[in-house]
Amino acid sequence: EDKVVQSPLSLVVHEGDTVTLNCSYEVTNFRSLLWYKQEKKAPTFLFMLTSSGIEKKSGRLSSILDKKELFSILNITATQTGDSAVYLCAVINLRGGADGLTFGKGTHLIIQP
Amino acid sequence: NAGVTQTPKFRILKIGQSMTLQCTQDMNHNYMYWYRQDPGMGLKLIYYSVGAGITDKGEVPNGYNVSRSTTEDFPLRLELAAPSQTSVYFCASSYVGEETQYFGPGTRLLVL
Repeated sequence: EDKVVQSPLSLVVHEGDTVTLNCSYEVTNFRSLLWYKQEKKAPTFLFMLTSSGIEKKSGRLSSILDKKELFSILNITATQTGDSAVYLCAVINLRGGADGLTFGKGTHLIIQP
Repeated sequence: NAGVTQTPKFRILKIGQSMTLQCTQDMNHNYMYWYRQDPGMGLKLIYYSVGAGITDKGEVPNGYNVSRSTTEDFPLRLELAAPSQTSVYFCASSYVGEETQYFGPGTRLLVL
């Protein structure tokens, strides 16, 4: 059974801090890893990572995948209160499509002013 | 584009009642999905569809049914509601061959 483990489960930091969220996985025939941000409602897509060692970047957020060690990190620099959310990691195996998507439980990030 | 829309936003059901959660997307996506999310947990796949007329079970299908008569709509049916079905339900869709899923705003369901 595919497994995705995120850590920490929750994290409280002050505005301006840098945070690193972790996602480790066990999946047969890995295809890609996705990061989502979930505020009060639906998850919104952040990054998709397929190749090892290539950093994806969007503003203050960045993510990288290590396929050898089976993990990914999501980095947020100069955090703002608007970054407060649950960050979800999901992996897809080579079966692709819906049956191959497994989510972690998420990291609940709280940014204090 | 409205993207993925879901109705209702919130519903309270009594045990044994039935209801249908509606999901519509206007992006011409072939793939559609239903997830449930319990507090502090990740999303669990209930059912999915790769196109009109085709549906398949996900990880937690028991107690639910789906249909996909059109590309746009993917309703989720609860026949005999149970307290264990209290959850937030998300519908999502994606293009064939693309792994990015676009989520609806969710339906919060409370079964008492």
